[in-house]
Amino acid sequence: DAGVTQSPTHLIKTRGQHVTLRCSPISGHKSVSWYQQVLGQGPQFIFQYYEKEERGRGNFPDRFSARQFPNYSSELNVNALLLGDSALYLCASSSYAGDSGNTIYFGEGSWLTVV
Amino acid sequence: AQSVTQLGSHVSVSEGALVLLRCNYSSSVPPYLFWYVQYPNQGLQLLLKYTSAATLVKGINGFEAEFKKSETSFHLTKPSAHMSDAAEYFCAVSEGSNDYKLSFGAGTTVTVRA
Repeated sequence: DAGVTQSPTHLIKTRGQHVTLRCSPISGHKSVSWYQQVLGQGPQFIFQYYEKEERGRGNFPDRFSARQFPNYSSELNVNALLLGDSALYLCASSSYAGDSGNTIYFGEGSWLTVV
Repeated sequence: AQSVTQLGSHVSVSEGALVLLRCNYSSSVPPYLFWYVQYPNQGLQLLLKYTSAATLVKGINGFEAEFKKSETSFHLTKPSAHMSDAAEYFCAVSEGSNDYKLSFGAGTTVTVRA
């Protein structure tokens, strides 16, 4: 089975531009989360979607938005890009696993460089 | 709110030596705890997770971690380091099985000396 897939893998944008990152979860997983990992730091939670509804939002400005589609794939959108948005953006998928706890699986990430 | 502290941003070990990576957590509810590994220019791979079953958790690649509630710790160990263990390791916590949000530590970079 395919794991979490993300696209594009690398991209370069100019300050002020807009970017869309895409994610396909593991088959059968209904929850998708997005994380930002700045170089040298741990990932920071941005959004979580479950069954196409936003379930959680981290401490990120309104320039960041996301959505989940009926097939459970997801997009992360960032408007008005800043140099500080340069990071690895990780998508993660999971399914509710009851008392055994959910396991969250990550994709390879999308490297965004803002120049 | 939950949080994780990883003690030591860099750890250097000799090949064949014990690997010990420290993680302490804070959580207002019984936590779910995870260790992830990240190889250069790659995403995160799950090593192991604690979900309130056995306190000693065995993971992939010979790693294991022990949950100690009294010490609020979840340290990761491997008895004998291999060159392929060189990577960055992240401890993470979530607050229960219905919480899909992970809070990560800052990470520990492991280098293995031949």
